[in-house]
Amino acid sequence: SQQGEEDPQALSIQEGENATMNCSYKTSINNLQWYRQNSGRGLVHLILIRSNEREKHSGRLRVTLDTSKKSSSLLITASRAADTASYFCATDKYNAGNMLTFGGGTRLMVKP
Amino acid sequence: DGGITQSPKYLFRKEGQNVTLSCEQNLNHDAMYWYRQDPGQGLRLIYYSQIVNDFQKGDIAEGYSVSREKKESFPLTVTSAQKNPTAFYLCASSTQALAEHYEQYFGPGTRLTVT
Repeated sequence: SQQGEEDPQALSIQEGENATMNCSYKTSINNLQWYRQNSGRGLVHLILIRSNEREKHSGRLRVTLDTSKKSSSLLITASRAADTASYFCATDKYNAGNMLTFGGGTRLMVKP
Repeated sequence: DGGITQSPKYLFRKEGQNVTLSCEQNLNHDAMYWYRQDPGQGLRLIYYSQIVNDFQKGDIAEGYSVSREKKESFPLTVTSAQKNPTAFYLCASSTQALAEHYEQYFGPGTRLTVT
């Protein structure tokens, strides 16, 4: 079974709106990462948040981590049509190095 | 121009044939990974390698084989024993598998269709 599960599975919004995606996981982690995948392409790393961090920002991205609830959220502010993609969270396993387990992803569509 | 490449982008094979997918990186990364992605799904780890001449099975290694003879290369063979080989295959690399806090860099993927 997958460590991370994203919610919702699909999200459709208008350009300019904010998009929020959630990720839940099951076991203790060292860090949680978010990746983006355009259709039929490889994944691109967006942001990494460590287990001792609660919030992190990168441009229009804001990631939160709640280790007590074993959950994370990715917020994309002022979305653009170019943000249309699938977004995956990935978690490592505590003391297992850089082995990542990916969730099923959220498919985001931003309508112009 | 550093990066990770996979070839070919599309691959078609008849059932019963073995097929090898190429993955090359010039990022000087120690660790390399192979993932399988089915439509609308996340990634599942097939094999990984932390160092040359060493590799470990991931979650779904049955029907697959790998080699790591060079740091730059990590080819994946999909054997005829793989029951459902049609999928999108992604290769990735990272600086150091046993260290914490490292992102993985992905290739563009190979879409394999077996009929």
